[in-house]
Amino acid sequence: EAQVTQNPRYLITVTGKKLTVTCSQNMNHEYMSWYRQDPGLGLRQIYYSMNVEVTDKGDVPEGYKVSRKEKRNFPLILESPSPNQTSLYFCASSITGGPSTEAFFGQGTRLTVV
Amino acid sequence: AQKITQTQPGMFVQEKEAVTLDCTYDTSDPSYGLFWYKQPSSGEMIFLIYQGSYDQQNATEGRYSLNFQKARKSANLVISASQLGDSAMYFCAMREGYTGGFKTIFGAGTRLFVKA
Repeated sequence: EAQVTQNPRYLITVTGKKLTVTCSQNMNHEYMSWYRQDPGLGLRQIYYSMNVEVTDKGDVPEGYKVSRKEKRNFPLILESPSPNQTSLYFCASSITGGPSTEAFFGQGTRLTVV
Repeated sequence: AQKITQTQPGMFVQEKEAVTLDCTYDTSDPSYGLFWYKQPSSGEMIFLIYQGSYDQQNATEGRYSLNFQKARKSANLVISASQLGDSAMYFCAMREGYTGGFKTIFGAGTRLFVKA
């Protein structure tokens, strides 16, 4: 089954404790991205990747890191989480980065930083 | 700057009636794609419909159609014959092309309530 898999689905952590949210897709998609969803703000792009070893900042990259060492994986790293990073996070992938390709989304990760 | 505006935080529609969800956008990239996604209460994001900036005709997918008015920079979603299962959050999104760095931006969303 074609899918984007995020783990974990739910996470509660403490301020400053490094964490990684994993994202994997099995569709051989080139474009992958991370979003955070906050009430009243919709989804905001954190980072995106056009292909392996190619990443770029979205609109809200501060406090996050990403890497794309393999085509299928695009982990999101929070080196020192803070309470303002409490949010619902989505990973998504598209066949390419071109403007005509829709995104396939993971199930979301609800992160709480206390 | 790139921007997506959804001016309706919430909307009500009677079952079996049509409803239009508004979306306006702003971009300087001549090549872009416009998308609508549905987010039910379960939280997943579901792709509904796509319109390309060079498409001459409005996109349709089953009960969904996109009213694309390029000069006005609007891409409204029309849902015909609303069903109770259409109650959800709806997001308008835009993916830019090379000029825009292939970024994707979303609107704040419209929550649709379908009444029986």
